[in-house]
Amino acid sequence: SAVISQKPSRDICQRGTSLTIQCQVDSQVTMMFWYRQQPGQSLTLIATANQGSEATYESGFVIDKFPISRPNLTFSTLTVSNMSPEDSSIYLCSVRAGSSGSPLHFGNGTRLTVT
Amino acid sequence: QKEVEQDPGPLSVPEGAIVSLNCTYSNSAFQYFMWYRQYSRKGPELLMYTYSSGNKEDGRFTAQVDKSSKYISLFIRDSQPSDSATYLCATFYGGATNKLIFGTGTLLAVQP
Repeated sequence: SAVISQKPSRDICQRGTSLTIQCQVDSQVTMMFWYRQQPGQSLTLIATANQGSEATYESGFVIDKFPISRPNLTFSTLTVSNMSPEDSSIYLCSVRAGSSGSPLHFGNGTRLTVT
Repeated sequence: QKEVEQDPGPLSVPEGAIVSLNCTYSNSAFQYFMWYRQYSRKGPELLMYTYSSGNKEDGRFTAQVDKSSKYISLFIRDSQPSDSATYLCATFYGGATNKLIFGTGTLLAVQP
């Protein structure tokens, strides 16, 4: 399966600032996704990162708060903007390498704490 | 009602025990079913992947899907301390709708 590298692995940020998380895959993949994982809750899909076009956001997530880029088939970024303590969470990059029925593979995540 | 329900545990078993982890889901249209294992401070790792009903075995792990009762299970035989992790079930429709729906995860501790 694809090797997914996420940077940074963790960060502590101040309220009101922004953090950009990078996701690099070692091979071209058809689809890339960004998830959020909060303690005691299911993984929640933030958006699908579309190559060369605007990301597709899930209900409750907006582009101004979570801008996403995907310039090619192996790289994507997620920015958490104007952070508040409620944004403290684990953010996970995920990829689907095969057909639409293929499972997802995940990076190790970025552990974000907002103070 | 959540689309996927999973008992969060924690579940503690002695080494060598058979572990049964379970999820229920609400939508009969779900076709693909997965189990992920997540160690502390790591991302979810795909453990088992099945399509529709039936059993799938991989070493000490068996995934079981019963679509008639909307029930999915993961069995771990001869459990080891290295199996201590959070286990997440997930499902999706397939096709054009690629969104995975996850359970909340069950924390498993295998005591040596």
